[in-house]
Amino acid sequence: EVEIMESGGDVVRPGTSLRLSCGAVGFRLSDDWVRWVRHVPGKGLERLASINNDGSVTSYGEEVEGRVVVSTDIVKNEVFLQLVNLRREDTGLYYCVGGDWYRHWGHGTRVTVSA
Amino acid sequence: AVLTQEPSLTVSPGGTVTFTCGSNAGPVTEALRPYWLQHRPGHAPRTLFYRTSDRHPWTPARFSASILGDKAALTLSGALPEDEAVYYCLMSLPTDQTFGGGTMLTVL
Repeated sequence: EVEIMESGGDVVRPGTSLRLSCGAVGFRLSDDWVRWVRHVPGKGLERLASINNDGSVTSYGEEVEGRVVVSTDIVKNEVFLQLVNLRREDTGLYYCVGGDWYRHWGHGTRVTVSA
Repeated sequence: AVLTQEPSLTVSPGGTVTFTCGSNAGPVTEALRPYWLQHRPGHAPRTLFYRTSDRHPWTPARFSASILGDKAALTLSGALPEDEAVYYCLMSLPTDQTFGGGTMLTVL
């Protein structure tokens, strides 16, 4: 069975950084693109970053470009999202999505930015 | 670019409802590869359709997707209580992959 697991969410202060991790069981994240998507209450879903199967191509959502970096460890079957200079409006549930055509979603890891 | 969806819709059990998704950048076409996703409270989102009308194995047959006029459309025929959710469109626009604002569906 396929499962995606996110981790690394925390309660942090504005201006700090956080690194989220995404792992998978039952399939290789490197088989296809992996995306990070967040859900912000009252705002809906937002694509933050995408990385291709071998990590050679990345793209970022306009609202977070410059403050996030996506990377992958193919050997460990993991994808990471580094968030820097966090703001209160970054508070939300962060999902990792793997497989073709947004096929497999994790259950999310919660990030809370609060003073 | 901004994708616009109805903020909310209501359907009676067993009824039919159509969601739409328009773009301020111009007509929605298959080239934008529209997706439709369902997000139920307390659950992870799940993708129902991709490339306009291709369905994943878990997509119930009561859902269908298409292009209607200059918008992407998702139709639910025979609504069930468990279909209460927020439905999002997603498209590959020139500058970004963008989600619509979501439509809250109430089955009542």
